[in-house]
Amino acid sequence: EIVLTQSPTTMAASPGEKVTITCRASSSVSYMHWYQQKPGASPKPWIYDTSKLASGVPNRFSGSGSGTSYSLTISSMETEDTATYYCQQWSSNSFTFGSGTKLEIK
Amino acid sequence: QIQLVQSGPELKKPGESVKISCKASGYTFTDYAMHWVKQAPGKGLKWMGWINTYTGKPTYADDFKGRFVFSLEASASTANLQISNLKNEDTATYFCARILWAKRGFDYWGQGVMVTVSS
Repeated sequence: EIVLTQSPTTMAASPGEKVTITCRASSSVSYMHWYQQKPGASPKPWIYDTSKLASGVPNRFSGSGSGTSYSLTISSMETEDTATYYCQQWSSNSFTFGSGTKLEIK
Repeated sequence: QIQLVQSGPELKKPGESVKISCKASGYTFTDYAMHWVKQAPGKGLKWMGWINTYTGKPTYADDFKGRFVFSLEASASTANLQISNLKNEDTATYFCARILWAKRGFDYWGQGVMVTVSS
């Protein structure tokens, strides 16, 4: 089973600050998905196939990566971006999620 | 519009069983696989497995083999998750999520069902 390690676990960013969340896979994967989850809500699709934004996601978000290293970047942090972000991959007929990155506003 | 509507919260005792449902609407049910995801209180997301909504074949993640059963009521566009012999560690929110193919990811999620196991 491929293990996904997200970093940081928790972070706080000021409005307007650039944010990068990293997801490292224990073995090479072909693509990565990202989900946003706010307290008490179900996860929302956020970025799929490494770099494609889901419907309604602001273009200040971007995704990149390959092999074992992937990232989600916010070009300019906004209050509404406060949430937990999870990466996810599919390999060998199995999905795994990263442990999540909790992003807060300073 | 596309919706996955799950059943309501459950309070159960250890050793009991629970069946939760996920009713799909707004699309052709059999065109998308249905996956199940567990989230324990304050914890992250854990993939449980999936069911092929066309053939009814379930696939379980290793940690969810034995007490967990995925099933369908295809005529009602509904996927079900049954957990038997409940344990305290089954206390969690359970989500259903649909997927067309792996590269697209889960594009719609149910609202989640909170299952509490307590004596």
